[in-house]
Amino acid sequence: GDSVTQTEGQVALSEEDFLTIHCNYSASGYPALFWYVQYPGEGPQFLFRASRDKEKGSSRGFEATYNKEATSFHLQKASVQESDSAVYYCALSANTGNYKYVFGAGTRLKVIA
Amino acid sequence: EAAVTQSPRNKVAVTGGKVTLSCNQTNNHNNMYWYRQDTGHGLRLIHYSYGAGSTEKGDIPDGYKASRPSQENFSLILELATPSQTSVYFCASGMGQSQNTLYFGAGTRLSVL
Repeated sequence: GDSVTQTEGQVALSEEDFLTIHCNYSASGYPALFWYVQYPGEGPQFLFRASRDKEKGSSRGFEATYNKEATSFHLQKASVQESDSAVYYCALSANTGNYKYVFGAGTRLKVIA
Repeated sequence: EAAVTQSPRNKVAVTGGKVTLSCNQTNNHNNMYWYRQDTGHGLRLIHYSYGAGSTEKGDIPDGYKASRPSQENFSLILELATPSQTSVYFCASGMGQSQNTLYFGAGTRLSVL
């Protein structure tokens, strides 16, 4: 079945550091790829998506590029802030007609001021 | 603004008891989903629905039932609750196309003692 793998379970950075969270996927067809962010006590919320090869999604300074060959959608941000501390989820929705969304295990980001 | 409301927000149940988690959405979305969130596993799909009267099994449906009596409401039912079902449960709604985002509720924290 379809799957999403996030390499890092936890990431700790200082403010203004560069962030990379790795996301790789396995899916049939041509899935849409997403990043969601979850703050404490809240449900996950949509950050951005990409739907085709080499498309870049971005929001709030975060970005990721759809790489079909490498089956990756790595999240990056040039300069993190303490307010970016949250759990980040990579997800896919396969274009197979059942509209199921598959999420990765999540990466907890802690940014120290 | 898309709105998904879950109730209750917190629930303590006894082993063998029946638990019903409720979800209401005012987005007029066709699709609704139930996920559970556990450390190390991220968000795992339990059941989902394409519309009123339909329910589909997700990736981890054992021990759970779902009910979609209307476009707005989607319930998750634990007929015989077990301690392994202690978790945080999230309901989400979506338009029903693979590229569309999901809108999540704030979650229900369930403890089965």
